[in-house]
Amino acid sequence: DSGVTQTPKHLITATGQRVTLRCSPRSGDLSVYWYQQSLDQGLQFLIHYYNGEERAKGNILERFSAQQFPDLHSELNLSSLELGDSALYFCASSVVDRGPHNEQFFGPGTRLTVL
Amino acid sequence: AQSVTQLDSQVPVFEEAPVELRCNYSSSVSVYLFWYVQYPNQGLQLLLKYLSGSTLVKGINGFEAEFNKSQTSFHLRKPSVHISDTAEYFCAVRLSGYSTLTFGKGTMLLVSP
Repeated sequence: DSGVTQTPKHLITATGQRVTLRCSPRSGDLSVYWYQQSLDQGLQFLIHYYNGEERAKGNILERFSAQQFPDLHSELNLSSLELGDSALYFCASSVVDRGPHNEQFFGPGTRLTVL
Repeated sequence: AQSVTQLDSQVPVFEEAPVELRCNYSSSVSVYLFWYVQYPNQGLQLLLKYLSGSTLVKGINGFEAEFNKSQTSFHLRKPSVHISDTAEYFCAVRLSGYSTLTFGKGTMLLVSP
């Protein structure tokens, strides 16, 4: 158990819908990262927040957005869902935002299925 | 931009045999290198990391990896595998001074009796 929690574990929804994925980082970690794992694209970085501020953006679609709240939990919002958004979404957390000791601890993931 | 290539998508091996999972990276700046393991229906767990210093890095569960700067490689090895090592293994790189990880496509290690 990494100490990172993600809810829900599974999510099944229809095209065009909007969903919210939630992540609670390890106690004391200020950074939260979101990754998408799909069969065709592999594991891709989406976005990074540090202490409530966006720090880096990867291959995140405009239909997707995220935020980190004052209690440091984070939410990833996916809207106008398409079949291709079906994937495993991971959250990771770390104590700092950069540097050699910025080890990222991964949550168990949320499996999103869009029908 | 950096990239990571895992040359084998699947590696079948018999129990107690040695294994090497290959990883090559490309980057024009200093990098930190990682190997993660993903067991079925679980998240990623860090196996080992190279930050600096000795090029031979030892990790959990008997795995080790060697950083070779001239070959831009970071191959993962284990002298004797167990059935329980069956999992997907991901090589990842992070640029010095940056926060995000770039992953390879993964190598599925299949250990059979």
